[in-house]
Amino acid sequence: ILNVEQSPQSLHVQEGDSTNFTCSFPSSNFYALHWYRWETAKSPEALFVMTLNGDEKKKGRISATLNTKEGYSYLYIKGSQPEDSATYLCAFIGNQFYFGTGTSLTVIP
Amino acid sequence: DGGITQSPKYLFRKEGQNVTLSCEQNLNHDAMYWYRQDPGQGLRLIYYSQIVNDFQKGDIAEGYSVSREKKESFPLTVTSAQKNPTAFYLCASSAGGMGYEQYFGPGTRLTVT
Repeated sequence: ILNVEQSPQSLHVQEGDSTNFTCSFPSSNFYALHWYRWETAKSPEALFVMTLNGDEKKKGRISATLNTKEGYSYLYIKGSQPEDSATYLCAFIGNQFYFGTGTSLTVIP
Repeated sequence: DGGITQSPKYLFRKEGQNVTLSCEQNLNHDAMYWYRQDPGQGLRLIYYSQIVNDFQKGDIAEGYSVSREKKESFPLTVTSAQKNPTAFYLCASSAGGMGYEQYFGPGTRLTVT
């Protein structure tokens, strides 16, 4: 079983702050990396699918970067809003799917 | 509305009984997946299916079985051989294989006593 690590495990930020999280994964057998957002009482929703080293993707105030050679991806949230409060999951896709345990973000109004 | 449905939301069973969790999708997706979540752990893949009548084991398939007789349906049976069946189970689907984003159902929380 392969390790996908996310850090920090949780964080609290003030509304308007920008923040970022890390997803670390093995640099071998890489096929894709997914980011999902999971709000309480809802289902996980896909944010980004990233496949190429150096990929940068953006959706509104959220963006992500990918470094497959060193095995990490960053997720950035600019100007956090209370509705950004959720758990953010990354998934490493090699031979199978391997999810990290997530970063729980709470944005304080 | 297009989406994935899982039923029931909560399920209680006695130890030693098999139980089947339902997962249906009307997104016309080829691939479907079953995950399990335990406290403090990430989602772990139980089984996945890329096409009808074909499925592959994930890392924790022991004690589980699946079928994929129809594109829309991917039921998961938790057998009495599964040593720790109490968990939250999530079903997902994707339009294609591994590189495609997954769409998740609402989950079923199974409690076995």
